[in-house]
Amino acid sequence: EVQLVESGGGLVKPGGSLRLSCAASGFTFSSYSMNWVRQAPGKGLEWVSSISSSSSYIYYADSVKGRFTISRDNAKNSLYLQMNSLRAEDTAVYYCARSSGGSGSHFDYWGQGTLVTVSS
Amino acid sequence: QSALTQPASVSGSPGQSITISCTGTSSDVGSYNLVSWYQQHPGKAPKLMIYEGSKRPSGVSNRFSGSKSGNTASLTISGLQAEDEADYYCCSYAGSSTLWVFGGGTKLTVL
Repeated sequence: EVQLVESGGGLVKPGGSLRLSCAASGFTFSSYSMNWVRQAPGKGLEWVSSISSSSSYIYYADSVKGRFTISRDNAKNSLYLQMNSLRAEDTAVYYCARSSGGSGSHFDYWGQGTLVTVSS
Repeated sequence: QSALTQPASVSGSPGQSITISCTGTSSDVGSYNLVSWYQQHPGKAPKLMIYEGSKRPSGVSNRFSGSKSGNTASLTISGLQAEDEADYYCCSYAGSSTLWVFGGGTKLTVL
């Protein structure tokens, strides 16, 4: 069974940093691209970042470019999101999501999310 | 890159059919057959319902179907059931820079 479990969320002050983790199990992690998608309270989904299976290709939404860094450790079956210079508008539930195999045309499995609150 | 446009809400009675539209541009929905749809119940993670425009993952009811015409994709739910009440989001590939763009979401109410 595919499982994605996020951790690392919490309360942080504006300008602060936080590192999210996503532990994957039930599939060959090193064969899949992975993603972070966030959802502000009461709002819709927003794609944040994607990383290819071997970390060769990395993409960011304009809203986080230069502040967030996505990475992965295939030996540990883990995905990370380093978030720096956090702003109030980064407050959201952050989901880890797997890209489908093959074309990677969709997000086929999602974690339960971890809440990040940016507030003084 | 702007979000895809969805109606804020739709409603229907049990047994009826509803359609949720998702309008993008020639840079996303119109250029790629890579629209997916997600269902989200309150406090839960999104769940994939439709991918590549019209394909259903294993385990998803055949009451859910997808289509696309030009820059607009659509999700149709037939034979509405109480359990279908949820938020629905469309998502499209948007090219090698932006990569993915979501719709603003549609709240489905089953009357």
